[in-house]
Amino acid sequence: DIQMTQSPPSLSASVGDRVTITCRASQGISNYLAWFQQKPGKAPKSLIYAASSLQSGVPAKFSGSGSGTDFTLTITDLQPEDFATYYCQQYNSYPWTFGQGTKVEIK
Amino acid sequence: EVQLLESGGGLVQPGGSLRLSCAASGFIFSSYAMSWMRQAPGKGLEWVSIISGSGGSTYSADSVKGRFTISRDNSKNTLFLQMNSLRAEDTAIYYCAKAFKSTGPRTTLDYWGQGSLVTVSS
Repeated sequence: DIQMTQSPPSLSASVGDRVTITCRASQGISNYLAWFQQKPGKAPKSLIYAASSLQSGVPAKFSGSGSGTDFTLTITDLQPEDFATYYCQQYNSYPWTFGQGTKVEIK
Repeated sequence: EVQLLESGGGLVQPGGSLRLSCAASGFIFSSYAMSWMRQAPGKGLEWVSIISGSGGSTYSADSVKGRFTISRDNSKNTLFLQMNSLRAEDTAIYYCAKAFKSTGPRTTLDYWGQGSLVTVSS
């Protein structure tokens, strides 16, 4: 199975900040990498697919990059509605696997 | 507008069975693979199973293989997850999600349901 490792597990940031979350795959997955946002008590929401493509309706403040084993999610101009937990997921092969999540909290 | 509505969750004893349903609308259901994920209380996301648009191909995580069966009724736009031999560690919110293509694995998920809580306890 492909292991997905996110860092950091959590971070504190202020409104207006730029934050970066990293995700590393235990083996190469090309660009078959997605990012999801989950707010407390809510279902996950799809943000990015193919490592860098925005899902429909997702604002451009979210961006993704990477290929192979190393990926990043960047959020610019952090707003109160962006404070959530973010998960990466590989869909290169079964079983699909998720990172453990990164909780973005208000400083 | 794509909508996915799960139902069928609840409290079940260890060793028992439960069937989850996911009613889909707003897209051509048979054209897309569908998947189940779960999230144990306070934990991260875990992929459970996926079924192709036609229903002809299914894949499941080792943790549920032989106990859970994914299926779909394209005439009723409904996805199912039959869960047998349930264990305490199966306690979780179960989410259905729509895939971007008709088959996997190289297809992302674009829409998720709101989830259905399954609690396995005596």
